[in-house]
Amino acid sequence: AQTVTQSQPEMSVQEAETVTLSCTYDTSESDYYLFWYKQPPSRQMILVIRQEAYKQQNATENRFSVNFQKAAKSFSLKISDSQLGDAAMYFCAYRSARSGAGSYQLTFGKGTKLSVIP
Amino acid sequence: DTEVTQTPKHLVMGMTNKKSLKCEQHMGHRAMYWYKQKAKKPPELMFVYSYEKLSINESVPSRFSPECPNSSLLNLHLHALQPEDSALYLCASSQVWDRGAGYTFGSGTRLTVV
Repeated sequence: AQTVTQSQPEMSVQEAETVTLSCTYDTSESDYYLFWYKQPPSRQMILVIRQEAYKQQNATENRFSVNFQKAAKSFSLKISDSQLGDAAMYFCAYRSARSGAGSYQLTFGKGTKLSVIP
Repeated sequence: DTEVTQTPKHLVMGMTNKKSLKCEQHMGHRAMYWYKQKAKKPPELMFVYSYEKLSINESVPSRFSPECPNSSLLNLHLHALQPEDSALYLCASSQVWDRGAGYTFGSGTRLTVV
């Protein structure tokens, strides 16, 4: 079974600064997908960024980028130019690429609560 | 339309009540999910429907009864719940064939059982 670990329960960042959230995972599979989801107080889980394991290039979405280290099974999220609206719970998640019922499972880490200081 | 809509947003029910949660999407996603989320915890998968058929039931108690009447709707029928069932219930949908696309989540129903 796959596991996802987020070792930072809480983090804070000054507005306009850069912060990196950590995520490690454990899997025996070679093909899979990784995601970062954001959950603000409004409760909706919002997809921030995704990475395909077979792609070596790190994904980037505007101010959000990842550092994907497949051999180390590490998938960190970097938020640049932090804004007040970035304050939320961030969840790292893993999804298998194989076919069948197992591919529907989205395995989440325990989350990191990010606070943005004005 | 790129949203998953959940109703109601809040629900308070007694332990003898019967209620239903509703989830709707019009993105053509053929996989739909129910998750339960307790405070400060990640979501936990309850049920998965694929092409309107129940694909996964994560050993959820029978007081929770899912239903997928068509490709756009997902219901969760609640009966004889316990106070420990109080939580945020999230619905999500995804493409069956594109596992890398991620899920689209609704805003959830905050359920309180009294």
